[in-house]
Amino acid sequence: EDQVTQSPEALRLQEGESSSLNCSYTVSGLRGLFWYRQDPGKGPEFLFTLYSAGEEKEKERLKATLTKKESFLHITAPKPEDSATYLCAVQALIYNQGGKLIFGQGTELSVKP
Amino acid sequence: NAGVTQTPKFRILKIGQSMTLQCTQDMNHNYMYWYRQDPGMGLKLIYYSVGAGITDKGEVPNGYNVSRSTTEDFPLRLELAAPSQTSVYFCASTRDATRPQHFGDGTRLSIL
Repeated sequence: EDQVTQSPEALRLQEGESSSLNCSYTVSGLRGLFWYRQDPGKGPEFLFTLYSAGEEKEKERLKATLTKKESFLHITAPKPEDSATYLCAVQALIYNQGGKLIFGQGTELSVKP
Repeated sequence: NAGVTQTPKFRILKIGQSMTLQCTQDMNHNYMYWYRQDPGMGLKLIYYSVGAGITDKGEVPNGYNVSRSTTEDFPLRLELAAPSQTSVYFCASTRDATRPQHFGDGTRLSIL
């Protein structure tokens, strides 16, 4: 069964304290892994797509990496405005003409000044 | 550029009532999706559509119905509301199956 697990469930950082969020996945052939940011009361906002092991993508203080079993979202010198819930989702390659996503439960990040 | 628009933003229903959650997108996307998000849980796919006139079930379709008569609109229907359907509902769309999905800001539904 395709599955996504994110850890930790919640993470509290001081401003400037770098850390990483983990997304472990089991999928019958990976088409793509997606990272989203979700602010309270809002819908998920797309950050990155990763397609193959070894791939990396960066945006401002965020860097996403991918292996065959997990993905990391590294946050370098975070600021309070980085506080949000970060969601990971995988898209299986087979039997998936509809582009269905399987989401993890999210990591709630809080960055204090 | 409006993107994906969901209405209403909030709604309280009584058990057994019915309602339709509206979703419209102005990006001419073929693919549209309905998810529900419960506290501490990931988004779960309810129904999806790959184009006008074509819909299919996701992980948790029981108690819901959808239709897709136009490219822009993808309404979600609750026929007999139950407390277990209390949740936040998100609609999403994308141009094709491999591209990122764009989400609306959700409908918060409480059933009492």
